[in-house]
Amino acid sequence: GAVVSQHPSWVICKSGTSVKIECRSLDFQATTMFWYRQFPKQSLMLMATSNEGSKATYEQGVEKDKFLINHASLTLSTLTVTSAHPEDSSFYICSAANPGYNTEAFFGQGTRLTVV
Amino acid sequence: GQNIDQPTEMTATEGAIVQINCTYQTSGFNGLFWYQQHAGEAPTFLSYNVLDGLEEKGRFSSFLSRSKGYSYLLLKELQMKDSASYLCAVKDSNYQLIWGAGTKLIIKP
Repeated sequence: GAVVSQHPSWVICKSGTSVKIECRSLDFQATTMFWYRQFPKQSLMLMATSNEGSKATYEQGVEKDKFLINHASLTLSTLTVTSAHPEDSSFYICSAANPGYNTEAFFGQGTRLTVV
Repeated sequence: GQNIDQPTEMTATEGAIVQINCTYQTSGFNGLFWYQQHAGEAPTFLSYNVLDGLEEKGRFSSFLSRSKGYSYLLLKELQMKDSASYLCAVKDSNYQLIWGAGTKLIIKP
């Protein structure tokens, strides 16, 4: 299957600071990338869908000014958690897809964010 | 609304067979996926069904009935490493993945 690389795998930051998470598709062009958040013992929750070169579509209840998503190229999308709070601590996972060529989405390794 | 139901937790014995069920109600259907997720890791793809019937892949098989909104994942010859959460997901009419809450499978020796 295709390879999606997510970085960093874990990060600890102070309240009020911003954290950037990168998601790269290494061997295919990802026209669409998805950002998920997963709290312990809960299912994946879609935060936003980003299409290359256009603005991300955010799910209801997700603050677009807090979770900044950029998908400037077919191989890179970034999620920036701005002014992080302890309640933002979670497991963030990206997935990449190219609906024209793939059926399943390919996941990055995930990022464990802890805000202290 | 869109809904995917699967059992919260199941327990099985090493070497045995287990079936994890998934029922769904979604706006449109463009395929059903099963993923395996170990704690603290991203999901890994197991199977994809878009037509009715059984898809077999080694020790894992997945079944789909679109008329019943039902799927199951069958795991044979269970190994300890199969202890994980199994996520059922459906692609809706917008090709967006809708996720079930996951079934935690516990394998006992």
